Amino acid sequence: NAGVMQNPRHLVRRRGQEARLRCSPMKGHSHVYWYRQLPEEGLKFMVYLQKENIIDESGMPKERFSAEFPKEGPSILRIQQVVRGDSAAYFCASSLSGDNSPLHFGNGTRLTVT
Amino acid sequence: AQSVAQPEDQVNVAEGNPLTVKCTYSVSGNPYLFWYVQYPNRGLQFLLKYITGDNLVKGSYGFEAEFNKSQTSFHLKKPSALVSDSALYFCAVRDRNSGNTPLVFGKGTRLSVIA
Repeated sequence: NAGVMQNPRHLVRRRGQEARLRCSPMKGHSHVYWYRQLPEEGLKFMVYLQKENIIDESGMPKERFSAEFPKEGPSILRIQQVVRGDSAAYFCASSLSGDNSPLHFGNGTRLTVT
Repeated sequence: AQSVAQPEDQVNVAEGNPLTVKCTYSVSGNPYLFWYVQYPNRGLQFLLKYITGDNLVKGSYGFEAEFNKSQTSFHLKKPSALVSDSALYFCAVRDRNSGNTPLVFGKGTRLSVIA
């Protein structure tokens, strides 16, 4: 049973370009979460999705950031017009249900904006 | 609002000695509590969770954690540390009565076990 798959592992973008981060949850999991990790800041929640629905996007910046989890295919975190401050590790996690089920994390996408 | 505090950025312990990584939490209701471990360039791995029942929870790799409601703490412990336990440890909380709110993580504690 494959775990949470994220790609790419590393992504380099110039300022102003778009970044697309993909996440395939564990088989059977319909809850997907995106977190951002910066050194010394821990893990910051960004957005929580279920199939075709955004449940909670309170941690996601209102501008330039968007996320989707379509009926078919992976979840996508999209960052438009990237800036240097967007450089971070972005982790996707999935769970079987939304209550006390543990989150299963992917290995992350490390975004570097030059 | 829910929050987690991990008061120590770094914990150093000698191999074979007991280790403790501290965590305190704040929720308006009753908590679900979790510990995760992160190795370099990897995602977080689930170690253990407290849902209800026995306050002492046993998890992976010999780790355990004790839920203390009066002190709002959930410290991670291991009787005898291994060098391979060196990693970044995260405590996380969710309010049991908060519906679909996501897990809130602490800033992490870096554990270094010295041979």
